[in-house]
Parts: sequence; structure tokens; C-alpha cells
Amino acid sequence: RKEVEQDPGPFNVPEGATVAFNCTYSNSASQSFFWYRQDCRKEPKLLMSVYSSGNEDGRFTAQLNRASQYISLLIRDSKLSDSATYLCVVSSGGYQKVTFGIGTKLQVIP
Amino acid sequence: EPEVTQTPSHQVTQMGQEVILRCVPISNHLYFYWYRQILGQKVEFLVSFYNNEISEKSEIFDDQFSVERPDGSNFTLKIRSTKLEDSAMYFCASSDGRDTPYEQYFGPGTRLTVT
Repeated sequence: RKEVEQDPGPFNVPEGATVAFNCTYSNSASQSFFWYRQDCRKEPKLLMSVYSSGNEDGRFTAQLNRASQYISLLIRDSKLSDSATYLCVVSSGGYQKVTFGIGTKLQVIP
Repeated sequence: EPEVTQTPSHQVTQMGQEVILRCVPISNHLYFYWYRQILGQKVEFLVSFYNNEISEKSEIFDDQFSVERPDGSNFTLKIRSTKLEDSAMYFCASSDGRDTPYEQYFGPGTRLTVT
């Protein structure tokens, strides 16, 4: 099983739609979880950290299910500018290595 | 807003040559990292660095790689004898290490092309 698994997509959604991405991780000792976005040939940019209680930032909601080793990202009211690859990132803790998923590509269509 | 910077943005080198990729992390950050991303593949961890020493490295980070913080601002990745398969985007990242989770901020990357 891959350390961090994501559906690579692409997900093609119309503007205004709600879209959800899922991610599973294999290491039950993982401690920190993040969503990054990456535009084509650019660096990963932190979108949000994911907390056990779930967290929301504007149109973006992240959830963590430790029992199922599962992380999700929900984007409401999709904008054209949301088109990017969304990277699920899992850390073993502290300043140690993080492991990236392959990313899920989102294309928002006018 | 403070950011991580990297130079050069693109480096072309011949197989067997040494390259040094440079990074300036965010000024009050304590932890530094190098990652690589081969075109079309996922971002891969190479090494983390704290208090002037390597804290963790991946199996990719073999003897041909080294990192250094030569002064108070720069953080470098050296590849001693480049191979064709080292062609990739190399990202530097830093985190402040004060608040959990330790969010990492990435530089714009150096595209390394080995010919």
C-alpha cells in the first residue's frame, strides 16, 4: 500500500460546483496532515493544515479520520482559479520528513 | 510576506559535473528541507536539516548529495557528480518549528537539467 494515496483525477467540474477529494495514508503513527495546492510547474503552496476536529477556511473544509486513516478536502462554490493539483501531505511528526501524495488534478470549467 | 527564495531558477549541467543549488529560507525559521520532483511525478523528500546537522534523510539522499548552511542565511544542496536521472525540480522549504503542526513553506524551485 502506498504511504499516501490519492486519486490523480482529473476532476472536471463546472464553476460553482462543490467538489471533494480524498486521501488515505498507511502509517497509523502519522501526526500532522496538510493540503497543498500546486499549479503547473510551480512550487507547492500550503492551503491548510488538517486538524482532528476538522477545520474550515472560507470555501475550503478539511476533515481527518484517524480511525480510517483518511483525510478529505471539500471545495465549495468552485472558482476558475481553483484549477490546480491538490496535494495531500502527511508527516510522521515534528520536523521530520513529510510524504506527499501524487496529487489530484482539478479543472474548473466555465 | 516573507518567502523562501532559490537560485538559480534553471540550471543546465553536463553529466558528471557538480552543481550547487542555493536557498534562502524564511529568516526566523529553524528547520530546512530539500525536496525534488521529477516531471509528472510526486514531490519526494530528500533531507531535513536543523541546528546545523541533518535530522533525517531519505534513501534518495545518497553519498552524492550533501547539504550545508554556510552562513546565517543560505542553505545549499550539492550534487557531486550529476546523473541524467537527477534532472528534476528541486524545492527548498523551511518551517519555524515553534508551533505544531510544522507547516512548511516552499521556494519557487530550481529546475535542474542534466545533459
